[in-house]
Amino acid sequence: AQSVTQLDSQVPVFEEAPVELRCNYSSSVSVYLFWYVQYPNQGLQLLLKYLSGSTLVKGINGFEAEFNKSQTSFHLRKPSVHISDTAEYFCASQAAGNKLTFGGGTRVLVKP
Amino acid sequence: DTEVTQTPKHLVMGMTNKKSLKCEQHMGHRAMYWYKQKAKKPPELMFVYSYEKLSINESVPSRFSPECPNSSLLNLHLHALQPEDSALYLCASSQIERGWEKLFFGSGTQLSVL
Repeated sequence: AQSVTQLDSQVPVFEEAPVELRCNYSSSVSVYLFWYVQYPNQGLQLLLKYLSGSTLVKGINGFEAEFNKSQTSFHLRKPSVHISDTAEYFCASQAAGNKLTFGGGTRVLVKP
Repeated sequence: DTEVTQTPKHLVMGMTNKKSLKCEQHMGHRAMYWYKQKAKKPPELMFVYSYEKLSINESVPSRFSPECPNSSLLNLHLHALQPEDSALYLCASSQIERGWEKLFFGSGTQLSVL
């Protein structure tokens, strides 16, 4: 069975400051890892993914994430946020042939 | 065209009404999904269609009835819903890329049941 835990339900951050969203996963098999973003009144959009290879993955809108197998983590970072980054962020995992498992979400509120 | 289009965007219905949600994609994806999302929660999978056949039903009550008329269309028929069914209903389609499924989501239908 898979599970995904996002450690922070809300993260307030000032504009142009860095942000880190924490995600830990649990699985008995190898999984693919994802971060999705959901802007207000929108569906989910894929930010980035880790399948294999380099543990640092870069996504859209200046986001990046680092896969850490020993700590079973996949934290998302952005060095300088914009007001437009205000959104809900979901970490997710998927084992081959299985459905996507989402974390509880982290709401990022960027303040001017 | 990389869009999944959902209609209507908003829907208010009474508990005795019958309504349908519609979803359309023209990306040639052969898997389509319905998710339910309550406020401040992650999406919950309801149904999966693969090659126009229902492949996953996550124990959804029968008052929700999915239909896949063809490879581009997905409907969700609603009947005798309860107020707790009020939520954002998201449709998605997927393509297989190097062994993983890339999901494309629509913007959703915000449903209110009175």
